[in-house]
Amino acid sequence: DAGVTQSPTHLIKTRGQQVTLRCSPKSGHDTVSWYQQALGQGPQFIFQYYEEEERQRGNFPDRFSGHQFPNYSSELNVNALLLGDSALYLCASSLKGGHGYTFGSGTRLTVV
Amino acid sequence: AQKVTQAQTEISVVEKEDVTLDCVYETRDTTYYLFWYKQPPSGELVFLIRRNSFDEQNEISGRYSWNFQKSTSSFNFTITASQVVDSAVYFCALSEGFRGGSQGNLIFGKGTKLSVKP
Repeated sequence: DAGVTQSPTHLIKTRGQQVTLRCSPKSGHDTVSWYQQALGQGPQFIFQYYEEEERQRGNFPDRFSGHQFPNYSSELNVNALLLGDSALYLCASSLKGGHGYTFGSGTRLTVV
Repeated sequence: AQKVTQAQTEISVVEKEDVTLDCVYETRDTTYYLFWYKQPPSGELVFLIRRNSFDEQNEISGRYSWNFQKSTSSFNFTITASQVVDSAVYFCALSEGFRGGSQGNLIFGKGTKLSVKP
């Protein structure tokens, strides 16, 4: 039974560019949440997708957007990258909005 | 507002010592969940325990034990007879609880880095 899969594992981008991160949820899960973890900090909630709609959103600017596909997989898009966007981006999947979260290994984004 | 505080930034112990990781939380919700996650260098958050706000029973799982006290808003985690493989960053987290047992998004503390030396 596959867990949460995230791609790519590492990514280097230049300031001002755009990036797309991908997440496949655990088999049987229909909800995907995204978290940003800066170095030395705890993860911070970005947003959650359920039934292909954004259901909850944390305190992140509109440069952060997402999408959920009919197969429940999800993308996180970040536009106009800033140096401060450098972080580990974690995807968590769950069932029906949140009955226990399973996390992926994350995508480490470096903005130079 | 919800908040989780892990006052210990780093802890270093020698193998076989017992170690307690502290967690203090703030919330106005009457129904909420508390969690502990382990994050090894690989980055993945590994779920250790979930406790709801109505269950103050302490729990023991092997070398791990958790002490939940609503009176002091604390949910502390103890590792008995620590091992080198326990070295990781440990996060305490809080979420709002909803009807039916579902939960809101997770609010994490800043984590405690545990180093267990042989």
